[in-house]
Amino acid sequence: EVHLVESGGGLVQPGRSLRLSCEVSGFTFDDYGMHWVRQAPGKGLEWVAGISWSGANIEYADSVKGRFTISRDNTQNSLYLQMNSLRTEDTALYYCAKDALGELLGGMDVWGQGTTVTVSS
Amino acid sequence: QLVLTQSPSASASLGASVKLTCTLSSGHSNYGIAWHQQQPEKGPRFLMRLNSDGRHTKGDGIPDRFSGSSSGAERYLTISSLQSEDEADYYCQTWGTGVQVFGGGTKLTVL
Repeated sequence: EVHLVESGGGLVQPGRSLRLSCEVSGFTFDDYGMHWVRQAPGKGLEWVAGISWSGANIEYADSVKGRFTISRDNTQNSLYLQMNSLRTEDTALYYCAKDALGELLGGMDVWGQGTTVTVSS
Repeated sequence: QLVLTQSPSASASLGASVKLTCTLSSGHSNYGIAWHQQQPEKGPRFLMRLNSDGRHTKGDGIPDRFSGSSSGAERYLTISSLQSEDEADYYCQTWGTGVQVFGGGTKLTVL
């Protein structure tokens, strides 16, 4: 059975940093692209960042470009999101999602349960 | 610019059918999409991937009551024999070079 388990969320002050992790099991991790998607309270889904199977292709939403860094460790079956210079508008539930293909061109087909990030002073 | 447009809300009666629409922006009518369901207080769940020709591939365990179809720039999700647990938010999603896009979501109420 496929599982994506996020961790690392919490309460952080504006301007500080946080690192999210997503541990996966049940499929061959290094065959697929991966994404981070967030959902602010009461709002819809917003794509944050994606990384191809090899890590060679990385994409970011304009809202996080230059502040967030997505990475993966295929030896550890893990996906990461380093979030720097956090803003109050980054407050959201952050989901890890698997792409149907290796190069971020298949759509998301498996979701984790999310980890909550709250940015507040 | 790649944009997906969804109606904010829809409603239908228990046991009836409903057809939700997702519209691709001009110039992108050949794009495939994915449909996702988000029940209250839960994470999203992948329903299906839907091509421009209407062919669709459903996720594991998705009931036959869920089906997809396409016409031009419109992508549809039809849910038949509505059940109470189908009350949820439904999001369409597409992808292009360097970008992933979600529609604003449709909140489905089962009466």
